[in-house]
Amino acid sequence: NAGVMQNPRHLVRRRGQEARLRCSPMKGHSHVYWYRQLPEEGLKFMVYLQKENIIDESGMPKERFSAEFPKEGPSILRIQQVVRGDSAAYFCASSPLGPDEKLFFGSGTQLSVL
Amino acid sequence: GDSVTQMEGPVTLSEEAFLTINCTYTATGYPSLFWYVQYPGEGLQLLLKATKADDKGSNKGFEATYRKETTSFHLEKGSVQVSDSAVYFCALRETNAGKSTFGDGTTLTVKP
Repeated sequence: NAGVMQNPRHLVRRRGQEARLRCSPMKGHSHVYWYRQLPEEGLKFMVYLQKENIIDESGMPKERFSAEFPKEGPSILRIQQVVRGDSAAYFCASSPLGPDEKLFFGSGTQLSVL
Repeated sequence: GDSVTQMEGPVTLSEEAFLTINCTYTATGYPSLFWYVQYPGEGLQLLLKATKADDKGSNKGFEATYRKETTSFHLEKGSVQVSDSAVYFCALRETNAGKSTFGDGTTLTVKP
């Protein structure tokens, strides 16, 4: 059973470009969470999704950021018009049943904005 | 809102030394508490958890006890190994809440 798969591992973008980060949860998991880890900081919650629904997006910046988890395919975190401050490691996690279960994390996508 | 405060690092120990990483939390309800470990270049892995007051979570020689009266969940290990070198995150999750709240992480380096 493959773990949580994130790609790409490293993504380089110039200011103003779009970044698309992908996350395939573990098989059988229908709950996906996105976290951002800035240099020398902890993990900050961004968004919690179930299939086709956004459950909690209280940690998402109001502009330029969006997330989806379609019925088929991976979850996508999309950042439009990236700025240098978006440079960070973005981690995806999934869980099997719901909020009371432990999280299984992917290896992350390191986004670098030039 | 919820918050988790961890002992600042980095922490450097010699092999076989005793480890304590402090963690305190603020929560509105009765959260579950977790310790996750992150090895270089990898995602976080659950190390141990406790779901109610006075529960003790344990795994791989690590222990932590859920102390409601002091709102703490300190991580301990009696004898660390070089392979324990990693970043350790304390986290909480409120009952029926989606998100987990993480501390800033504590980097542990164990020297032979």
